[in-house]
Amino acid sequence: DSGVTQTPKHLITATGQRVTLRCSPRSGDLSVYWYQQSLDQGLQFLIQYYNGEERAKGNILERFSAQQFPDLHSELNLSSLELGDSALYFCASSVDGGGFTDTQYFGPGTRLTVL
Amino acid sequence: AQKVTQAQTEISVVEKEDVTLDCVYETRDTTYYLFWYKQPPSGELVFLIRRNSFDEQNEISGRYSWNFQKSTSSFNFTITASQVVDSAVYFCALSGALYSGAGSYQLTFGKGTKLSVIP
Repeated sequence: DSGVTQTPKHLITATGQRVTLRCSPRSGDLSVYWYQQSLDQGLQFLIQYYNGEERAKGNILERFSAQQFPDLHSELNLSSLELGDSALYFCASSVDGGGFTDTQYFGPGTRLTVL
Repeated sequence: AQKVTQAQTEISVVEKEDVTLDCVYETRDTTYYLFWYKQPPSGELVFLIRRNSFDEQNEISGRYSWNFQKSTSSFNFTITASQVVDSAVYFCALSGALYSGAGSYQLTFGKGTKLSVIP
């Protein structure tokens, strides 16, 4: 158990809908990262927050947004969902601001299915 | 840009055989970190090891060992006397600079190698 928690574990929804994925980092970690894992694209970095502020952006679609709250938990919002958004979404956390020395510890993931 | 290549998509071995998973990386950074993660069938990503670019010593942890060779940009992972519980997808990853503001770094993953250990 990495100490990173993600809810829900599974999510099934329809195209055009909006969903929110939630992540709680390990105790003491200030950075939260979101990744998308799909069969064709592999593991793709989406976005990083550090202590409430956006720190880095990767291949995140404009329909997707995230935030980190004062208690350091984070939410990833996915809107106008398309079939291609079906994937496993991981949250990871690290102690520091995402310097290259940081080790990222991953949560169990949320499996999103868009029908 | 940085890139991680895991050329072996799938490997099958019989229990107790040794197996090596290959990882080749590309980066322009002189300082970087390399990682291995394991994704068992249950789906979570489990951190296995982190190695910095200045430390080329091989590392052994139980049945696991890692061989880092900067000259060939490789960071290979060997499992000795494989067991059925080793069946998983293994990812190699690289952290280097994708600067986007206050010195943040991105983790770049390879496509993964699916290891099946047959009893």
